Amino acid sequence: DAKTTQPTSMDCAEGRAANLPCNHSTISGNEYVYWYRQIHSQGPQYIIHGLKNNETNEMASLIITEDRKSSTLILPHATLRDTAVYYCIVRVAGTYNNNDMRFGAGTRLTVKP
Amino acid sequence: GAVVSQHPSRVICKSGTSVKIECRSLDFQATTMFWYRQFPKQSLMLMATSNEGSKATYEQGVEKDKFLINHASLTLSTLTVTSAHPEDSSFYICSARHILSGDGNTIYFGEGSWLTVV
Repeated sequence: DAKTTQPTSMDCAEGRAANLPCNHSTISGNEYVYWYRQIHSQGPQYIIHGLKNNETNEMASLIITEDRKSSTLILPHATLRDTAVYYCIVRVAGTYNNNDMRFGAGTRLTVKP
Repeated sequence: GAVVSQHPSRVICKSGTSVKIECRSLDFQATTMFWYRQFPKQSLMLMATSNEGSKATYEQGVEKDKFLINHASLTLSTLTVTSAHPEDSSFYICSARHILSGDGNTIYFGEGSWLTVV
């Protein structure tokens, strides 16, 4: 799997949008970008994933650059409960292999009142 | 949504004893499950990958005889920490691959299990 680079930490004001960047310059054409978050003392929570197109769900939006070398996770209206470590992971799609998921250090997002 | 459940959420055991942690996919079948370990202030480290009905594949440095993994059904995998020692105290997390998710590849995680060996 390609490696990703994320800032170590970020702060965001409550109610504002949180934009979390991720660089994945060596991503391959068949690799998806996944985002998970881990709130303290809990298992990681799936947020969103995408291949080429921008994606949006009830939790967040994922913006992937045209060259796919970077992406941004957007939490449109951050709340205190969004304080967590956010992980950006790229991995191969498909069901033909085990496709394990390996975590980097992630970005520690702190939402402040 | 896809739910993965772990049990127990917290366990304390005596040094030298064995402890079993269960991981269940509640609303989907998981041919592949993964086990992770996380020490305080560190990221998740993959320990092993288990496929239903076959032996688990362990990551380098993980002792397969110490961390026994069984994936006997499409909804259940177990991790047994044998002859536990205080250094095995950690947060253990399982995950399961949802093959019927949109791309057949989304992985969902359990809530984690805190193991304390005294």
